Amino acid sequence: GENVEQHPSTLSVQEGDSAVIKCTYSDSASNYFPWYKQELGKRPQLIIDIRSNVGEKKDQRIAVTLNKTAKHFSLHITETQPEDSAVYFCAATLPGGYQKVTFGTGTKLQVIP
Amino acid sequence: SAVISQKPSRDICQRGTSLTIQCQVDSQVTMMFWYRQQPGQSLTLIATANQGSEATYESGFVIDKFPISRPNLTFSTLTVSNMSPEDSSIYLCSVEQGPGQPQHFGDGTRLSIL
Repeated sequence: GENVEQHPSTLSVQEGDSAVIKCTYSDSASNYFPWYKQELGKRPQLIIDIRSNVGEKKDQRIAVTLNKTAKHFSLHITETQPEDSAVYFCAATLPGGYQKVTFGTGTKLQVIP
Repeated sequence: SAVISQKPSRDICQRGTSLTIQCQVDSQVTMMFWYRQQPGQSLTLIATANQGSEATYESGFVIDKFPISRPNLTFSTLTVSNMSPEDSSIYLCSVEQGPGQPQHFGDGTRLSIL
């Protein structure tokens, strides 16, 4: 089955700096990679996603890059703000009758004002 | 995206009892899933709730412990049976509205077993 590794487990940045979270996956058949943000006590919320036919995707301060050859993908947050503080999960999805999603272990991001 | 209502939001239960968690979606969805999230951990898929047939369980999860129903395309239940303190966790339902669409999560049920 798919295995997703995520690094770092914790990340502290100063407000305004950039944050990068990296994930690797094991199954080259995975073709869809969502990222979720989970604030304390709340549901995981989809913030950005990328499909295997695309190398990069941006949405305002958030971007995701995908390197299929190396089987890794990254989340980039620029100009971080205190409200970006949360746990971020990457995920890899295998195609099939239904999309089986495997989540990374999570990164706790703290943005220091 | 679909509005997902999950209840109860939290409960404290006695060891050996069972609790049924409900997940209601405001529109028909193709797939519904149940996850467990232990404190400070990632999300682990328990099973896929199949409409009109038995759920598909992941390794380490069995129907006797986590029976699941899905009577229609907007509703599913997860029962946590014969609970022990190790079952203390957050249980989340998620839905996939169509092929190739991302999963969206309910607010979760925070379960504590004494």
